[in-house]
Amino acid sequence: KQEVTQIPAALSVPEGENLVLNCSFTDSAIYNLQWFRQDPGKGLTSLLLIQSSQREQTSGRLNASLDKSSGRSTLYIAASQPGDSATYLCAIAGGTSYGKLTFGQGTILTVHP
Amino acid sequence: GAVVSQHPSWVICKSGTSVKIECRSLDFQATTMFWYRQFPKQSLMLMATSNEGSKATYEQGVEKDKFLINHASLTLSTLTVTSAHPEDSSFYICSARDSSLFGGYEQYFGPGTRLTVT
Repeated sequence: KQEVTQIPAALSVPEGENLVLNCSFTDSAIYNLQWFRQDPGKGLTSLLLIQSSQREQTSGRLNASLDKSSGRSTLYIAASQPGDSATYLCAIAGGTSYGKLTFGQGTILTVHP
Repeated sequence: GAVVSQHPSWVICKSGTSVKIECRSLDFQATTMFWYRQFPKQSLMLMATSNEGSKATYEQGVEKDKFLINHASLTLSTLTVTSAHPEDSSFYICSARDSSLFGGYEQYFGPGTRLTVT
């Protein structure tokens, strides 16, 4: 059974800092990995999707990497802004039952001015 | 980008009544939709996989007779919480998977429905 762990559980940084969120998973047989953002009381916004054959994806100030062999993914946020404050979720689509997503517990990010 | 809507966005109902939540993919077809449940300050837990034209597949521990799922078309899935109780109060989120050849099987999430059972 896939288990997804996100570290840290919470992170508070001043505006402008570069930061890294970590996601680890136990089963390397994955179909893809997605990073999502969730604002309080809202649904999920997909940030980046990395297929199992890819090693990284970039969108604006966001960069996500994937290392299947070590079971790790990182989300790098450059030049953080207060508007980046949210919960960031990592989710794995399994290789044997692809489509089903297993979510990590999330990292609560606070960027203060 | 692909858009998924949910209706209603929030609902309050009395214990013992049933509530229906709709999930629609607005600009793409989705043969598969997923229903998740999220308790406060917790992550999403998959409840069931909804397949167009066939029965839903429920995750272990989820009561089929309590959470009725119908996926009648390629753009609509419904979740009905029957005989709701206060412990069913939660945030319900659906997602839809783009079925097209170029969809990449990415999942797109709805905005969620806040259910409160009194």
